[in-house]
This record gives sequence, C-alpha cells and structure tokens, in this order.
Amino acid sequence: DIQMTQSPSTLSASVGDRVTITCRASESVSRWLAWYQQKPGKAPKVLIYKASSLESGVPSRFSGSGSGTEFTLTISSLQPDDFATYYCQQGHTLWTFGQGTKVEIK
Amino acid sequence: QVQLQQSGPGLVKPSQTLSLTCAISGDSVSSNSAEWNWIRQSPSRGLEWLGRTYYRSKWYNENAESVRSRITINPDTTKNQFSLQLNSVSSEDTAVYYCARSLNDDQAFDFWGQGTMVTVSS
Repeated sequence: DIQMTQSPSTLSASVGDRVTITCRASESVSRWLAWYQQKPGKAPKVLIYKASSLESGVPSRFSGSGSGTEFTLTISSLQPDDFATYYCQQGHTLWTFGQGTKVEIK
Repeated sequence: QVQLQQSGPGLVKPSQTLSLTCAISGDSVSSNSAEWNWIRQSPSRGLEWLGRTYYRSKWYNENAESVRSRITINPDTTKNQFSLQLNSVSSEDTAVYYCARSLNDDQAFDFWGQGTMVTVSS
C-alpha cells in the first residue's frame, strides 16, 4: 500500500494567517492527490483534486501544488470557517489517506 | 446534485455481518464514469477505503487488502443503490462508515453519504 504522511499533525494559527500543510507519499502518485476538509460530525469535503484543481464552489484561498511524492495545501488567508481537520488522499493505486492535520485557533 | 443516503443498523454483534445500504439520487449506479465506494473512519485507523463497485460494460469490484476476505459490495440497479456487507466483525470494525462517489477522471471522492456510526458489541 502507498503510505501518506502529513505534517504537521496539529497547526495553531490565527485568522488571516497563511497556512501550509504538507503531504508525502511513500512512492510516486503522479498528480493523483486530493485534499479534504472535515469538521466534527460531518463527512469529508473535497477541496482539491488532481493535486491542484479546485473543486467547484471551494473558495480560491485554497490551493494545491506538487507532484510525485510531495504535495502542499495552502490557505492564503485563514478564515474562521477554515478551522477543521485536513486530509490528503492518493488515487494512484487504489486509495489511501493521510492521518490528518488539525488546524486550530491560536 | 448527487445525494447519497445511507441506511442500516448502528449496532452489530461480534462475529456477525455488518450490512449497510447507500441509495443514490442524481446519478446512476450503472454510470460509466462513476465508482461507488465504502470508506470508514475510526480514531485508531483514520480514514480507510474499503472497496468499490463500478460499471464499465460489465461490473467490477475492488477491495482493500485489509478486508478482502470479509467484504462484499453489490450494486442494485433496480433500486439505484449499492450495499456493503462485512462478515465476521470484531471490535476493530467499530467505526463511522461512509459511502462515497468517485469519478474515473478525478480519482477523488466528490459526494459522500451522511455517515453511519457502527458499533460492534455484544
């Protein structure tokens, strides 16, 4: 199985901050990488697919980059609604998820 | 707009079979571009993809190695839904279970069911 490792596990930030989350794959997944946001008691919501494509309806402050084994999710200016847990997911060989990054209020 | 509505029991006894159903609206289980997945989430295992079914001139199934010997995912074209059966459950299978759609072109899960908390306990 392809292992996905996210860093950091927890991130403390303030409204307006620029936030970057990193995801590393144990082998190349090309650009088959998606990012999700999850809030307590809710299903994950896709933000980014194919590494950098913004899902319809997702604010443009979210962006993704990378290919191969290293990927980043960036939130350009953190908003109150963005405090949540974020997951990466590879779709190159079946599917595996990262362990999550919790973005909390500083 | 695609909607997925899950149903099934929230409590299953050890060694018995977990059964859930996901009813689809706004798309077809027989779509040639969609795949229909089951995913679970627990504190110990995180988000774990379990398996999928999809139609490309014929029906295909793929399952995760971790549950391959115990899982069955079946489409039901008459009711436009798909189901999950997981046999011989133990406490390790206690989790929130989700159904989700993925598209062949995107390899991401774009629509999710509401989730079902399943507890394995006697």
